[in-house]
Amino acid sequence: NAGVTQTPKFQVLKTGQSMTLQCAQDMNHEYMSWYRQDPGMGLRLIHYSVGAGITDQGEVPNGYNVSRSTTEDFPLRLLSAAPSQTSVYFCASSYSRGLTTEAFFGQGTRLTVV
Amino acid sequence: GEDVEQSLFLSVREGDSSVINCTYTDSSSTYLYWYKQEPGAGLQLLTYIFSNMDMKQDQRLTVLLNKKDKHLSLRIADTQTGDSAIYFCAETISSGSARQLTFGSGTQLTVLP
Repeated sequence: NAGVTQTPKFQVLKTGQSMTLQCAQDMNHEYMSWYRQDPGMGLRLIHYSVGAGITDQGEVPNGYNVSRSTTEDFPLRLLSAAPSQTSVYFCASSYSRGLTTEAFFGQGTRLTVV
Repeated sequence: GEDVEQSLFLSVREGDSSVINCTYTDSSSTYLYWYKQEPGAGLQLLTYIFSNMDMKQDQRLTVLLNKKDKHLSLRIADTQTGDSAIYFCAETISSGSARQLTFGSGTQLTVLP
C-alpha cells in the first residue's frame, strides 16, 4: 500500500522558473492538502481540496495553483518561483471519521529557489 | 487563523519521561492531535484526544487535556533514542466545507544517552 506519494524528493529552481510538485494517494481519500514547512513555523496550509473538481485556498496560497481532476492526484504548481518559496512541501490526504481528521503525509519535497 | 503554540526544543536523558506542551486558542476544537516527524520523513499521527476527555493513555504515551486553559500535553514514558523527532500538536477547525488541521511550530525532542 503506497499511501501518499510525492515527487520529486528534491528540486532546485532558478528564480522565475515554474514547476509542478506531484502528489498521488491510493486510499480513496476525499480530502487532500498541501503544506509548506519552514523552520520554527510548523506547517502552513497552502491549498486544499475536498473532492475532485473542488479546491480552496489555505493560509499561504499566493504564488501557488492547484487542481483536482481525479480523486487520486493533487498537483501543486509554482507559477514563477521566488526565493521565499524555498521550503519543504508536504502533501497530505485524509478521510472523514465524523469530526476526526487523521491525515496521512507524503515524504516531502525539498525545494530550493536560487 | 487560530494559533497553536509549542516550545521549540526539549532535551531529556534516555529512560526519563518527556513532557511536550502545547497551547491552542480555538475553543471549538473537537479533536486535538499529536504528530511525530522523524528526520527526512513526513508526519505520522501518534495519538489524538477528543475534546470532552481529560486524559488518554496509549502504551508509553499519555495525553492530558486542560480545556479550561486550552493546554495539551504529551508525556512519553521511558524515553528512548528512537523517540528523537519533532512532535507537532494540531487541532481541527471547521473552515468552509472542510475540516482543517492547524499545526503548532513543532517541538524538537532530543534524547541523550
